[in-house]
Amino acid sequence: GAGVSQSPRYKVAKRGQDVALRCDPISGHVSLFWYQQALGQGPEFLTYFQNEAQLDKSGLPSDRFFAERPEGSVSTLKIQRTQQEDSAVYLCASSTGQGLETQYFGPGTRLLVL
Amino acid sequence: GQQLNQSPQSMFIQEGEDVSMNCTSSSIFNTWLWYKQDPGEGPVLLIALYKAGELTSNGRLTAQFGITRKDSFLNISASIPSDVGIYFCAGYNYGQNFVFGPGTRLSVLP
Repeated sequence: GAGVSQSPRYKVAKRGQDVALRCDPISGHVSLFWYQQALGQGPEFLTYFQNEAQLDKSGLPSDRFFAERPEGSVSTLKIQRTQQEDSAVYLCASSTGQGLETQYFGPGTRLLVL
Repeated sequence: GQQLNQSPQSMFIQEGEDVSMNCTSSSIFNTWLWYKQDPGEGPVLLIALYKAGELTSNGRLTAQFGITRKDSFLNISASIPSDVGIYFCAGYNYGQNFVFGPGTRLSVLP
């Protein structure tokens, strides 16, 4: 596809359930980023991959959050034992790696934890 | 951590009016970026600024990188209905990550 795609677009989970959110970056993009966007707020950085290497995971809010990109393309953000405060839009972005300003964002996955 | 403030938080304007919004920080940034986010979509980059004092235009949009490197401004001239959305500023320093502001929500009345 032409842009970054994310699936599912919407996810409702019961508190305590595990969820997995998928990101398909633009083909050939080296860098991949995950952000969390709470309602009424700007995106907040979670983690960053360059190819398959997770170079920065300083933004992950707890050890319940885990991200992987095993083949340097598709990435999955997993949240274990979801809590209500995890409800947010999770945005994925990819870039060529030439500069962070060239990030292209996906439409996001809206997660609601009940 | 670093935080950005945006003002106004929201604004309602008439179609055809000019719009001004700003973004301030307690920290210095070497790059300022402005994004627009439509409902149900991810942010889209509008303008990137790389040098203190820089003034850059993109169509009806003009943005400036503040001299102190702690602020930036975005102006939209002759607003149209499709300008509706949330405008985010973001600050960036090399080797660090983006810091986004909370956004300015723009509504355009016909």
